[in-house]
Amino acid sequence: QSVLTQPPSVSGAPGQRVTISCTGSSSNIGAGYDVHWYQQLPGAAPKLLIYGDSNRPSGVPDRFSGSKSGASASLAISGLQAEDEADYYCQSYDSSLSGVVFGGGTRLTVL
Amino acid sequence: QVQLQESGPGLVKSSETLSLTCGVSGYSIRSGYDWGWIRQPPGKGLEWIGSISHSASTYYNPSLKSRVTISIDTSKNQFSLKVSSVTASDTAVYYCARRPSSSSWSHEFDYWGQGTLVTVSS
Repeated sequence: QSVLTQPPSVSGAPGQRVTISCTGSSSNIGAGYDVHWYQQLPGAAPKLLIYGDSNRPSGVPDRFSGSKSGASASLAISGLQAEDEADYYCQSYDSSLSGVVFGGGTRLTVL
Repeated sequence: QVQLQESGPGLVKSSETLSLTCGVSGYSIRSGYDWGWIRQPPGKGLEWIGSISHSASTYYNPSLKSRVTISIDTSKNQFSLKVSSVTASDTAVYYCARRPSSSSWSHEFDYWGQGTLVTVSS
């Protein structure tokens, strides 16, 4: 059971917008620790997609956006493309565990 | 361009010690930042193992702390992972990664190695 809760799967048609939620608690996201998002394509290492709740590293399309409210965070992907089909993970820090925590991951399927 | 590369045995016997090294190029680890290990069992999610600062301060996942040691060798620009008393549940792809932020509020990993599969056999 992951400390951060994500839906196991989401799907959308090309061009649509999808969101992936990440629910934490008062000892991690709710405490103010930053949330980060990773994209993992099949057979590849995770790639940093969003850092510091809502910032995109250089080279990440602006179709990807992040937000945070209270003890939850969300990743939104607009203008869905076939190449976006991947697993997505949220990550933060937990003060009770004194360590880095990941969500269980969400598989995005582009219909 | 910063690059990380994991190396080590792909097969380890149960009850023995798993040892991996992460070589870093394109950045001098003595310059700063923290460096971490993350693993992913086949078909499952990511699990943080632990991290080490450029000054060799370590912090570990509490669930693995008793079996894990992370060390750093700035002269070779690399850092290492040891997991003792391994069992089948330690079978996973092991990734090394860089944590660029010095803020205690932010623990993202911006550069990752390609990962190496370690299988624990009985």
